[in-house]
Amino acid sequence: DIQMTQSPSSLSASVGDRVTITCQASQDISNYLNWYQQKPGKAPKLLIYDASNLETGVPSRFSGSGSGTDFTFTISSLQPEDIATYYCQQYDSLPITFGQGTRLDIK
Amino acid sequence: EVQLVESGGGLIQPGGSLRLSCAASGFTVSSNYMSWVRQAPGKGLEWVSVIYRGGSTYYADSVKGRFTISRDNSKNTLYLQMNSLRAEDTAVYYCARDRYSYGSTFPDIWGHGTMVTVSS
Repeated sequence: DIQMTQSPSSLSASVGDRVTITCQASQDISNYLNWYQQKPGKAPKLLIYDASNLETGVPSRFSGSGSGTDFTFTISSLQPEDIATYYCQQYDSLPITFGQGTRLDIK
Repeated sequence: EVQLVESGGGLIQPGGSLRLSCAASGFTVSSNYMSWVRQAPGKGLEWVSVIYRGGSTYYADSVKGRFTISRDNSKNTLYLQMNSLRAEDTAVYYCARDRYSYGSTFPDIWGHGTMVTVSS
């Protein structure tokens, strides 16, 4: 199975800050990498697909980059509604695997 | 509007069986790829199973031989039959419609989830 290692596991930032989360795959997954946002008590929501493509309707302050084994997720200017847990996920091969999540809150 | 509504969760004793349902609207289950993903309390996301349009099914090792994914085209509903349940199967179970990309699929639209608690 492909292991996905996310960091940090938790993060506290101020409104307006630039926030970056990294995700490393245990083997080359090309760009088969997605980012999801999960708010408390809610289902995950797809934000970024294929490493860098913004899902329709998602604010442009969210972005993703990377390929191969190293990936980055960025919020350019943190908003209060961005408080959530963020997960990376690979779909290069089954089983689909997720990172352990990054819990983001407001400082 | 695309919508997925799970049901069938509850409290079940270890070794018991449960069948989860996921009623879809706004699209046809049989024409899509569909998944189940679970999340244990306070934990991360774990992929459970997928059924492809052609009917092929795949499972996580942790549930293989115990869980069965299926669909009823007449009811436009996805199912997860769970047998020989264990305490570690306790989780919120989400069904999802998958997106096909580059020869593989990933969850795209998610339901709200249904809670399964395995405990005596």
